[in-house]
Amino acid sequence: GQNIDQPTEMTATEGAIVQINCTYQTSGFNGLFWYQQHAGEAPTFLSYNVLDGLEEKGRFSSFLSRSKGYSYLLLKELQMKDSASYLCAVMDSNYQLIWGAGTKLIIKP
Amino acid sequence: GAVVSQHPSWVICKSGTSVKIECRSLDFQATTMFWYRQFPKQSLMLMATSNEGSKATYEQGVEKDKFLINHASLTLSTLTVTSAHPEDSSFYICSASRSRVAGMWEQYFGPGTRLTVT
Repeated sequence: GQNIDQPTEMTATEGAIVQINCTYQTSGFNGLFWYQQHAGEAPTFLSYNVLDGLEEKGRFSSFLSRSKGYSYLLLKELQMKDSASYLCAVMDSNYQLIWGAGTKLIIKP
Repeated sequence: GAVVSQHPSWVICKSGTSVKIECRSLDFQATTMFWYRQFPKQSLMLMATSNEGSKATYEQGVEKDKFLINHASLTLSTLTVTSAHPEDSSFYICSASRSRVAGMWEQYFGPGTRLTVT
């Protein structure tokens, strides 16, 4: 079956760096997405990786290794507003998004 | 660009009644729209995928007669929850995808509709 694994919850300190991991097993691969979702709101797009390597976008970076079925989202200079759930999603061979359960990130002052 | 709206943002209805939720892509043409349901503290669950002018494809376990989806134009899809029951109370989110651009199939999400059935 298809499976996306990411930690349920993480805690980090304001101003620090945090890495959220995501491992996947899917039938085919057409890219990996990271979304941010604040409580009670819809997800917002953060990043898309389809080739191996690191994509940097401001304070957020996303890494992909297709051979290992692994990605991470790196958040630098954490701010209180970064407290949210971070969803990893993989697009399979049918161009269908398979969603992870999300990682709740708690930022402490 | 790539804004998706949903209406209403929240709705309370009585058990047995029907509720229609609209999803619109405001500044682009959406070849495909997706309907998700999200229960508290859970991830998104895809309910159905719809392409303009054709019948929606429902995920396993989703009752097509209960959750009616219409995708009449490239900018509008509607989800009607028929004969709603309290267990249908959830956060319903739509997303829209435009034609494949540079190999990327990004989905743009609407703000969601919170449905409470009493």
